[in-house]
Amino acid sequence: DVVLTQTPPTLSATIGQSVSISCRSSQSLLDSDGDTYLNWLLQRPGQSPQLLIYSVSNLESGVPNRFSGSGSETDFTLKISGVEAEDLGVYYCMQATHAPLTFGSGTKLEIK
Amino acid sequence: EVQLVESGGGLVQPGRSLKLSCAASGFTFSNYYMAWVRQAPKKGLEWVATISTSGSRTYYPDSVKGRFTISRDNAKSSLYLQMNSLKSEDTATYYCARHEMDAWGQGASVTVSS
Repeated sequence: DVVLTQTPPTLSATIGQSVSISCRSSQSLLDSDGDTYLNWLLQRPGQSPQLLIYSVSNLESGVPNRFSGSGSETDFTLKISGVEAEDLGVYYCMQATHAPLTFGSGTKLEIK
Repeated sequence: EVQLVESGGGLVQPGRSLKLSCAASGFTFSNYYMAWVRQAPKKGLEWVATISTSGSRTYYPDSVKGRFTISRDNAKSSLYLQMNSLKSEDTATYYCARHEMDAWGQGASVTVSS
């Protein structure tokens, strides 16, 4: 199975600060169809997860553009440019290139 | 508005069965692959099953293969998860989701304990 390693496990940020979360894959996530199925999700406290970014860098509808994704093959990054209070929660990367679909262990973002 | 509403969770003894349901609305259910994802208490997310649009193809991780069965009724816009031979490690909140992970239900809690 593909292992996704997220760093850091926890992140503390002030409002307005820019932060990045890394997701490294044990295998290349470039699919034979040319797409890379690496997504980012946010789970706010007490809520269900929500999709932020799909296919590495595509912003899901309704998601603020302070969120951005980048990367390729095995190294991926989620950046939040100017953290807001509503951004607190746990961020997960997930891959759907290889079966079984797997998730990273999560990065908890706390607001100072 | 896309809505996914799970039901059927509860407390069940080890070795017994439970069936979860998910009622979908706000989108053309039959056009989407659907999935179940679970989250053990204080833990991360684990994919449990996916089903094709027609229901003819299903996919599972090894952890539940042979014990869990995903199914759907497109006429009723409903998704199901039949869970047999339940173990304590199956204790989790079970989420119904579109396979693209762009829509999630609120979750159904399943506790497997004697």
